[in-house]
Amino acid sequence: GAGVSQSPSNKVTEKGKDVELRCDPISGHTALYWYRQSLGQGLEFLIYFQGNSAPDKSGLPSDRFSAERTGGSVSTLTIQRTQQEDSAVYLCASSLRGQGALGGYTFGSGTRLTVV
Amino acid sequence: DAKTTQPTSMDCAEGRAANLPCNHSTISGNEYVYWYRQIHSQGPQYIIHGLKNNETNEMASLIITEDRKSSTLILPHATLRDTAVYYCIVPWADTGGFKTIFGAGTRLFVKA
Repeated sequence: GAGVSQSPSNKVTEKGKDVELRCDPISGHTALYWYRQSLGQGLEFLIYFQGNSAPDKSGLPSDRFSAERTGGSVSTLTIQRTQQEDSAVYLCASSLRGQGALGGYTFGSGTRLTVV
Repeated sequence: DAKTTQPTSMDCAEGRAANLPCNHSTISGNEYVYWYRQIHSQGPQYIIHGLKNNETNEMASLIITEDRKSSTLILPHATLRDTAVYYCIVPWADTGGFKTIFGAGTRLFVKA
């Protein structure tokens, strides 16, 4: 597609439920990144993928968070047993192979997650 | 940790140039400087990047000092729609790719 697509755009869930957030990167972009942004805060790095591999999972806040990417394209961020502190906007970005001389990331519009 | 430091906020009059500074004193020789901005309730938007030479595109100009330890993003004629948080970022090579950490950025207020 023309841009990075994230779904759903908004998600309200009850505390303790599991949620799945989806990111569809730009076709041909091999690098994919997940960030989250709490209200009024900066972007917090969660995880990135190079192809289907995630070299760095250190940003995931707890073992309730996991992410996968299949076919070098779509990625899913899963949050198990959601807590109220998980409420945030989850942003996905993609880029060609990573970032150096190849231009910047393209971000999606994000998924606004509210845990009640 | 982010490898950059920026002022927390700045004001600019509409129609004037906005000059946003960034310090990156620990930058390595092959690391690029990137700028993004985030308008309220939207995802960040890529603006410009550079290595050594000054760069210009339709959105902005990037001036990098000769020692590469600082840079300035210039919006030549700021408009109200340029009010946003501006992030200066130096990604670094990590296992299998590049890691990009966003700092707090500079909140630019363009005033009429």
